[in-house]
Amino acid sequence: QKEVEQDPGPLSVPEGAIVSLNCTYSNSAFQYFMWYRQYSRKGPELLMYTYSSGNKEDGRFTAQVDKSSKYISLFIRDSQPSDSATYLCAMSATQGGSEKLVFGKGTKLTVNP
Amino acid sequence: DTGVSQNPRHKITKRGQNVTFRCDPISEHNRLYWYRQTLGQGPEFLTYFQNEAQLEKSRLLSDRFSAERPKGSFSTLEIQRTEQGDSAMYLCASSLSGSYGNTIYFGEGSWLTVV
Repeated sequence: QKEVEQDPGPLSVPEGAIVSLNCTYSNSAFQYFMWYRQYSRKGPELLMYTYSSGNKEDGRFTAQVDKSSKYISLFIRDSQPSDSATYLCAMSATQGGSEKLVFGKGTKLTVNP
Repeated sequence: DTGVSQNPRHKITKRGQNVTFRCDPISEHNRLYWYRQTLGQGPEFLTYFQNEAQLEKSRLLSDRFSAERPKGSFSTLEIQRTEQGDSAMYLCASSLSGSYGNTIYFGEGSWLTVV
């Protein structure tokens, strides 16, 4: 079992839809959870960052972490064609170490006008 | 532009040749990371530096790979005797240790194609 599992999709939705992206993980030491957006042939861009369990909202994006279930989610409201990209979940363990990120495979999202 | 800068962005090389990639991190960041990403996969950690010290290396980093950060600023990643399996995007990232969350910012990546 990989440390981080993410459904690669692809996921195709109409403009304006609510998008739900998810990851599960197996390492209970993970405490920092991130979502990155990656456009084709570009580097990952940090979208959301969450520490431990809970919700965080930023504009149209909401990140949720449920440590008891080892499950994280990213919701995109009122999705736009410009949201079309690959979304990568990433996580790291406690501070004090390298805090290297462990990534999921990424979910490719297409938002159709 | 004050983001993470990587050069060259694209490199095509023949099998057996050596290649070197350079990374300039965000200026105040003391941590620098190298990751590798192949098609359809998420980035995989290779190594990281805190200032000039290389503190961790993944077992993915074979003996043909070497990374340096001589003055704690820019870093180079050299791949010797390249193989076709080395074809990937090499991503550099940086962060500031001790900052809230130690969020990590990536560059645009350097694409390597070994033919």
